[in-house]
Amino acid sequence: DAGITQSPRYKITETGRQVTLMCHQTWSHSYMFWYRQDLGHGLRLIYYSAAADITDKGEVPDGYVVSRSKTENFPLTLESATRSQTSVYFCASRKSSGSYEQYFGPGTRLTVT
Amino acid sequence: GQQVMQIPQYQHVQEGEDFTTYCNSSTTLSNIQWYKQRPGGHPVFLIQLVKSGEVKKQKRLTFQFGEAKKNSSLHITATQTTDVGTYFCAGTGTASKLTFGTGTRLQVTL
Repeated sequence: DAGITQSPRYKITETGRQVTLMCHQTWSHSYMFWYRQDLGHGLRLIYYSAAADITDKGEVPDGYVVSRSKTENFPLTLESATRSQTSVYFCASRKSSGSYEQYFGPGTRLTVT
Repeated sequence: GQQVMQIPQYQHVQEGEDFTTYCNSSTTLSNIQWYKQRPGGHPVFLIQLVKSGEVKKQKRLTFQFGEAKKNSSLHITATQTTDVGTYFCAGTGTASKLTFGTGTRLQVTL
């Protein structure tokens, strides 16, 4: 049972480049989330999705784009990376009903130079 | 928007001492969750509290949800080095969105 995976685990990119972070879950969870984690800010929600083809903005969506054509995948794209987007990005998923428990992926550490 | 604050930001204890972190929300919550993140790792779910005044225990960990459902606490009795990490509370408020607190980093030394 692979659970929830993210790729790449580490990425260095230059300012202005487009970069896509991948997230894949094997549980068929309805909800998927993207967070960024920065010192002093905890985890901040970027975008989330309640089901395939349904996405919504979180707390800090500017500069990011998401899509969800399949239930199991939820890629996050930085259209034109900026240094302020240097962060650790976590993908998470949860079931549609019952506990609100979220299951997190291992994270992607992104550095924008 | 909904804000969730945690105090302290950091605590350093000696093994065997107790530890408490507090979580306060700007709005009433429908539930609150607690997560633990080990250094270099990802957040891992610990527990969810739903009812006003609820208290739950997991071995040496005690979780409380305030009567007004706007605050919560996590207390660890007799800390061990395995307790090292950052503890986050996360509250579900309006629109069923989960808002994470800023976290409390716990360091335990022998």
